Amino acid sequence: NAGVMQNPRHLVRRRGQEARLRCSPMKGHSHVYWYRQLPEEGLKFMVYLQKENIIDESGMPKERFSAEFPKEGPSILRIQQVVRGDSAAYFCASSLLGQGPSYEQYFGPGTRLTVT
Amino acid sequence: AQKVTQAQTEISVVEKEDVTLDCVYETRDTTYYLFWYKQPPSGELVFLIRRNSFDEQNEISGRYSWNFQKSTSSFNFTITASQVVDSAVYFCALTSDNAGNMLTFGGGTRLMVKP
Repeated sequence: NAGVMQNPRHLVRRRGQEARLRCSPMKGHSHVYWYRQLPEEGLKFMVYLQKENIIDESGMPKERFSAEFPKEGPSILRIQQVVRGDSAAYFCASSLLGQGPSYEQYFGPGTRLTVT
Repeated sequence: AQKVTQAQTEISVVEKEDVTLDCVYETRDTTYYLFWYKQPPSGELVFLIRRNSFDEQNEISGRYSWNFQKSTSSFNFTITASQVVDSAVYFCALTSDNAGNMLTFGGGTRLMVKP
């Protein structure tokens, strides 16, 4: 039973480059969530997606950040023109159902982005 | 708006001591879900427990126990006879049916268990 997969685990980018973070949810899960953890802080919600739909992007910065979850393939979090303040751990989670008693989010190992 | 407060930023204990991690939450929703996650030094997030607001029964799992008190909006986590492997950052989190599936995390408590 493979868990939530994220790659790469570590990503180094220079200022101005693009970062692409990938997340494959657990088998059978169709709900994906992205969270960001800044150094020494808790996790902050960024976006919630279902297949081909963005359901809630209230936590996403208005510029440079985008997310998708296509019909086939992993979910992608894309950060354009990265800045040093984007350095953080980015966690993806997935759930089987969206809400209710069976709702649990399982997290991937995270991608640690370092912007130099 | 929902909020989770973990007032203890860091706790240090000696092995075999019992330790309680506090979690206080705020929500206007009547149906909500509380979680605890563990983040060991390796960095991944490990799910520990989910508690539904309509189920106030406390839970014990081995050395771990959780005390859910709706009257004080608290969901505290106790580790009995702590071990060095318990050293980690522990996060309490909250969501509800009206929260758009967004988990709201507390700031975390770093637990250090010394041999």
